[in-house]
Amino acid sequence: QSALTQPPSVSGSAGQSVTISCTGTSSDVGSYNRVSWYQQPPGTAPKLMIYEVSNRPSGVPDRFSGSKSGNTASLTISGLQAEDEADYYCSSYTSSSTWVFGGGTKLTVL
Amino acid sequence: EVQLVQSGAEVKKPGESLKISCKGSGYSFNSNWIGWVRQMPGKGLEWMGIIYPGDSDTRYSPSFQGQVTISADKSVSTAYLQWSSLKASDTAMYYCARQRYSYGYIDYWGQGTLVTVSS
Repeated sequence: QSALTQPPSVSGSAGQSVTISCTGTSSDVGSYNRVSWYQQPPGTAPKLMIYEVSNRPSGVPDRFSGSKSGNTASLTISGLQAEDEADYYCSSYTSSSTWVFGGGTKLTVL
Repeated sequence: EVQLVQSGAEVKKPGESLKISCKGSGYSFNSNWIGWVRQMPGKGLEWMGIIYPGDSDTRYSPSFQGQVTISADKSVSTAYLQWSSLKASDTAMYYCARQRYSYGYIDYWGQGTLVTVSS
């Protein structure tokens, strides 16, 4: 199974919004709502930001939102803050009863 | 409080064997899937596989099937990741993580174990 496709990098100014895409296939993103997003600042373990496409765990700001259309899931961060600068990864369940991550996207807050 | 505590960093030579561990506490270890994620230096996350300690049901990513062995010991609430013959390309940070199978997400991560393979 191939990694899900994410843009290598995105950037935005503080206060603006950015969207990170995550493209899979009909064997993963397109067929299941078990899509999640993780934030990984440098040198730390990843942190869950979104689960089941659009649900936020407690403690995650409502500036983070998720959606899905067809084989592509998206993470939108509104009201960008300096602390949001990190690598972001999507993940999806697959038809092989396994999981796959995206290649990761580096978010830079200008 | 849920905690996953991993064993310490390892430095090994090519061809050597290795088993790293991940001890879970603060939750029912036997009835939660636990898995392993690789992160090579400067690279992204790669899902390796998971195990259900209750019955040792194990799933592997095709990329890692046959390359590593995932196991668990219920009696000590510990999961393991094992290599029989390390390669330089196994150099990476390895995270254990609790995978909520029904919902699809990882909610807790270990602190990571850095494995360095060098002659």
